[in-house]
Amino acid sequence: NAGVTQTPKFQVLKTGQSMTLQCAQDMNHEYMSWYRQDPGMGLRLIHYSVGAGITDQGEVPNGYNVSRSTTEDFPLRLLSAAPSQTSVYFCASEATGRMNTEAFFGQGTRLTVV
Amino acid sequence: AQSVTQLDSQVPVFEEAPVELRCNYSSSVSVYLFWYVQYPNQGLQLLLKYLSGSTLVKGINGFEAEFNKSQTSFHLRKPSVHISDTAEYFCAVSGRGSYIPTFGRGTSLIVHP
Repeated sequence: NAGVTQTPKFQVLKTGQSMTLQCAQDMNHEYMSWYRQDPGMGLRLIHYSVGAGITDQGEVPNGYNVSRSTTEDFPLRLLSAAPSQTSVYFCASEATGRMNTEAFFGQGTRLTVV
Repeated sequence: AQSVTQLDSQVPVFEEAPVELRCNYSSSVSVYLFWYVQYPNQGLQLLLKYLSGSTLVKGINGFEAEFNKSQTSFHLRKPSVHISDTAEYFCAVSGRGSYIPTFGRGTSLIVHP
C-alpha cells in the first residue's frame, strides 16, 4: 500500500542546473498536484493535473514544468534552478480533483539550490 | 477568489488541556473546508473535512471542528491534548467546483508535559 511516492527525498542543486522531481501514485487517482512549502507560507500550488494529458497552472507556476503521460506519474521539472526555488516540495493525489475526497500527500522532497 | 487565515502561528498548551486552533476563510462561492496535520519531516494527513450537512465535524485522533457560515470560520478543537499531538496544523478551503485549494500558513501546536 504505497500511496504517493516521491523521489528523491533530498537534493542539492547548483544555480542553473536542471532536475526532475518524481511523483507516483498507485491509487488510480485522476487528480495530482505539486505544492511547495516555505516557512510561514503554508502550501502553495505549483501545477496540477486532472488526468493523463491534462495539466494546468496553480498559484506559483513560474520556473516549473509538468507533464502527465500516465495516470500514475506526475513529474515536476526545474529547467534552470534558482535559489528562490529552495523549498520543500509535496506531491498529492486525490480521486476526483474536486477536493470532496481525501487528498494523499507524499513525504516531500527537500530541495536546496546554492 | 478565496483565502484562508490561521489566526495563530503558534499555540503552546500543556498536556491534557483543551485546545482550539482558529481558522477564518473568505470565498465568493460555497466551499469545502479541511484540516490537515503535518508531523515533523512528514507529508500532510487529513484530520477532518466539511463538505455539507452537520456543521460539527468529527475527525481522527479526537479532533473536531465546527463550520460557522455567518462568521466564515472553521475552528479546530480537542478537549484533551497529548504530547503526540505536537505538529503543524493547516486549514484549507476549496471552492466547490474548483481544482485549486488554498492552504493557510499553518499553526504550530506545541504540547508541553
